[in-house]
Amino acid sequence: EAQVTQNPRYLITVTGKKLTVTCSQNMNHEYMSWYRQDPGLGLRQIYYSMNVEVTDKGDVPEGYKVSRKEKRNFPLILESPSPNQTSLYFCASSSLQGQGRWDTQYFGPGTRLTVL
Amino acid sequence: DAKTTQPTSMDCAEGRAANLPCNHSTISGNEYVYWYRQIHSQGPQYIIHGLKNNETNEMASLIITEDRKSSTLILPHATLRDTAVYYCIVRGHNNAGNMLTFGGGTRLMVKP
Repeated sequence: EAQVTQNPRYLITVTGKKLTVTCSQNMNHEYMSWYRQDPGLGLRQIYYSMNVEVTDKGDVPEGYKVSRKEKRNFPLILESPSPNQTSLYFCASSSLQGQGRWDTQYFGPGTRLTVL
Repeated sequence: DAKTTQPTSMDCAEGRAANLPCNHSTISGNEYVYWYRQIHSQGPQYIIHGLKNNETNEMASLIITEDRKSSTLILPHATLRDTAVYYCIVRGHNNAGNMLTFGGGTRLMVKP
């Protein structure tokens, strides 16, 4: 089954304790992205990657890191989490069609992170 | 990418058609209309997209006006499981970062 998976689904942590949220897709998609969703603010893009070893900042990258060493995986790293990073996080992927056109995005189930 | 305007909420009776409107008066010629939905904090789910012609798939139909300034998503026979927030998004296929800009969406409540 084609899917985007995220782990963990729920995480409660404390300020300053480094954490990683994993994202994996089995559709051989070139593009992967991370969004966060907060009440009243909708989904906002954190980072994205157009292919292996190619990453770039989205709208709200501060406090986050990503890496893309393999095509299927795109982990989100919070080196020193703070309470304002408490949010619902979604990973997404899509394929790159010809002539630089993006296909539809498929989203993971979400990771609910609470930073105390 | 163009901005969209949707009603905040709508109700629909189970088994009836749900018609969700979206205004996108500033849409440009190369921008597509996308619809996603989000069921209670789950990951957004792609529904359908179109450029200028009406589109239909197994989930829904998309009707785009001739001037492309508005569109309507139609769920032909709404079920309780269609209760969700529906997002209308306008974007070009070549936009930098492939970012989807989710607005407030329409909260559809399907009632028995």
